[in-house]
Amino acid sequence: EVQLVQSGGGLVQPGGSLRLSCAASGFSVSSNHMNWVRQTPDKGLEWVAIIYSGGSTVYADPAKGRFIISRDTSKNTLFLQINSLRAEDTAVYYCASGNGLYRFDSWGQGTLLTVSS
Amino acid sequence: DIQMTQSPSSLSASVGDRVTITCRASQSISSYLHWYQQTLGKAPKLLIYDATSLQSGVPSRFSGNESGTDFTLTISSLQLGDFATYYCQQSYKTPPTFGGGTKVELK
Repeated sequence: EVQLVQSGGGLVQPGGSLRLSCAASGFSVSSNHMNWVRQTPDKGLEWVAIIYSGGSTVYADPAKGRFIISRDTSKNTLFLQINSLRAEDTAVYYCASGNGLYRFDSWGQGTLLTVSS
Repeated sequence: DIQMTQSPSSLSASVGDRVTITCRASQSISSYLHWYQQTLGKAPKLLIYDATSLQSGVPSRFSGNESGTDFTLTISSLQLGDFATYYCQQSYKTPPTFGGGTKVELK
């Protein structure tokens, strides 16, 4: 059974850094394209970044420069590092993957990141 | 970016009703259109992929259709578990983009 279990998140001060994790089971993170998607009441669902099965990465414009998507194949885990956190990064973050590019068959349970002083 | 416009933003319906939600893309996306269902506090769940294909395990009362840049999700007979928010999403071009959602509420 395919499962994505997220950890990380919480309350962080502006300017800080945080790493979100997404542990996969039932498949290999290196054989699938892995994504991060976030959700806010204002902007709805917003794609953040992808790491292709081949290892290359692409970011949404708001994520360029401060977000880093990566994976650890030995732990079968996906990560999202966010630096220089801003209030507008406050969201529920989901990891997601599936069959085909940008088709999200499987989702993590979501983790809330709140950026506030 | 490709804009995805859903309508209506919300609707009220009763159990057993037939419900149709529309999603319009700002440009051609071929059939690279997917539908998701989200209930409160949960992650979205894939219902329909590639405009018309039913995801494994999803009840057959859900169906998708397409006509050019217009796409529809139909629930043939609304059940209690179907009261949720529905999103469309295009995967034709980077970045993938989502519609604003349609909340289906109990009348």
